Amino acid sequence: ETGVTQSPTHLIKTRGQQVTLRCSSQSGHNTVSWYQQALGQGPQFIFQYYREEENGRGNFPPRFSGLQFPNYSSELNVNALELDDSALYLCASSLVGQSYGYTFGSGTRLTVV
Amino acid sequence: QKEVEQDPGPLSVPEGAIVSLNCTYSNSAFQYFMWYRQYSRKGPELLMYTYSSGNKEDGRFTAQVDKSSKYISLFIRDSQPSDSATYLCAMTISGNTPLVFGKGTRLSVIA
Repeated sequence: ETGVTQSPTHLIKTRGQQVTLRCSSQSGHNTVSWYQQALGQGPQFIFQYYREEENGRGNFPPRFSGLQFPNYSSELNVNALELDDSALYLCASSLVGQSYGYTFGSGTRLTVV
Repeated sequence: QKEVEQDPGPLSVPEGAIVSLNCTYSNSAFQYFMWYRQYSRKGPELLMYTYSSGNKEDGRFTAQVDKSSKYISLFIRDSQPSDSATYLCAMTISGNTPLVFGKGTRLSVIA
């Protein structure tokens, strides 16, 4: 399978709840990164995983956490959801050391009410 | 001052026009410069990337980087209605660092 796939495409959650978003990396890519894109803004870096370890993190609180699995698929978990967490969450995969060659998924649109 | 500045538009042009999209940045350590196209309800799609200064051409698209001015541009020749999308500039220090994006410019090409 080629390309980056994300699930679900849309999600509505209540403030205070927890959410898990999933990503399947492009075949052959061993690095996965997550970005948050608020409406009308560019994507902002959340964190990156390589060899199942977090190896870079943006300015996001610890309630944002992730996992990368041996097959390079990945999860983004967000605890204690806040209204400002409403955004498009993008997964991007690449080969290690080639962040300039990201392939992005179509994203998960999260709405917190 | 944000690290990457990009005019959000919207920009509306007639079909066949030459489109110029621009970004400025403040971090002189940036070495890789990318342009992404994002259609509504989709993820960003990499159009082109350039390493350091110079020009790069791919079909109707030309990317320019002027590191002395901290200014990058994307030109679209013979614009088509299918080019209507949001164009995001992005940059990074190395292949091991995350991308820093502009806000994106919304482009409409009118037939």
